[in-house]
Order: sequence, then C-alpha cells, then structure tokens
Amino acid sequence: EAQVTQNPRYLITVTGKKLTVTCSQNMNHEYMSWYRQDPGLGLRQIYYSMNVEVTDKGDVPEGYKVSRKEKRNFPLILESPSPNQTSLYFCASSLSASGETQYFGPGTRLLVL
Amino acid sequence: AQKITQTQPGMFVQEKEAVTLDCTYDTSDPSYGLFWYKQPSSGEMIFLIYQGSYDQQNATEGRYSLNFQKARKSANLVISASQLGDSAMYFCAMRENAYNFNKFYFGSGTKLNVKP
Repeated sequence: EAQVTQNPRYLITVTGKKLTVTCSQNMNHEYMSWYRQDPGLGLRQIYYSMNVEVTDKGDVPEGYKVSRKEKRNFPLILESPSPNQTSLYFCASSLSASGETQYFGPGTRLLVL
Repeated sequence: AQKITQTQPGMFVQEKEAVTLDCTYDTSDPSYGLFWYKQPSSGEMIFLIYQGSYDQQNATEGRYSLNFQKARKSANLVISASQLGDSAMYFCAMRENAYNFNKFYFGSGTKLNVKP
C-alpha cells in the first residue's frame, strides 16, 4: 500500500531534550516536506526536500533541522525543543516538486513541557 | 501579505445542497498550483483537487470542482450535493513553482458543517 508513515504519532517531551520525528514514504517520491499545524494558522511549511541531499527552508524553519540521505526518509530533528514547538506535525511527499498530488502522513502530535 | 486567504472560518450547509468555499491567493509567480485538502475530525489530510495556473479548464473531481478565476486570483471549491461525511475542515493551498522553489502555502481553513 502506498503511504507516508510517521513515528511517533504522539510524543510528550521536556524543554531541551533532543528528539527526532521520522518520516518514510514507499512511493519513490522525489519531493518531501514537513509542516506544522497550529489552530487558526493552517499548515506552515518547515522544510522541504526536492531530492536526496537537497533541502531548503520553508516558512518557519527556526528550531528545526532535516536531512535527506535516502530518497524514502526525511526525518525532522528538534535539537532543543521549546514549548512553542508544541504542535501537530505532518510529513508529506509528492512524485516531483511539480506533482499534482501531495500525500500526507497521519501526523505527529508533539507536546513540549 | 497573506499568500492564501480563506475568509470563512465556519460554514453551514444543508445536506444535498451545494456549497462554495472561498479562497483567494497572492503571487507574482507565473507558474503555480492550487490545491484543496480536507481534514476530518480524525486529523488526516486528504487531497481533493488540483488546478495548475496554466490550465484552461476548471478542475473537477467527482462532486468537487474548483472555480478558478485567474484575474481575480481566486480558487473557490464547490462541493455539490453535500453529504454528512463532508463535515470537516477544508484548506486551500498554493505551490509557487518558479520564483519560490516549490514552497507551499496554506490558508487558515474553513470548517464546514453539513446539517441533516
């Protein structure tokens, strides 16, 4: 089954404790992206990747890191999480940067205390 | 300036009626794509419909159609024959293809409630 998976789905952590949210897709997609969703703000793009070893900042990259060492994986790293990073995070992928459909993962709900 | 504006935070529609969800966008990029997504209360994001900036015809997907008015920079979603299962949050989104290296922008969403 074609899908985007994210782990963990739920995470409670404390300020400053490094964490990684994994994202994997099995569709051989080139374009992958991370978003955060906050009430009243819709989704905002954090980082995106056009292909392996090609990443770039979205609208709200501060406090986040990403890497794209393999085509299928695009982990999101919070080196020193803060409470303002409490949010719902989505990973998404599409066949190419100009793809007509972007497939979303199920979301990761993060609470930083 | 906001890239995507959805001015209707919430809407009600009677079952079996049609409903239009508004979306306006702001870009100077000549090449862009417009998307609509549905987010039910369960939280997943479901792709509904896509319109490219160079597409001459309005996009349609089953009961969904996108009313694309390029000069007015609007991309309204029309849902025909509403069903109870259409109750959800709806997001309009835009991808700028040329000047902004394929960045995505989302609106703040419209919560649609379908009444029986």
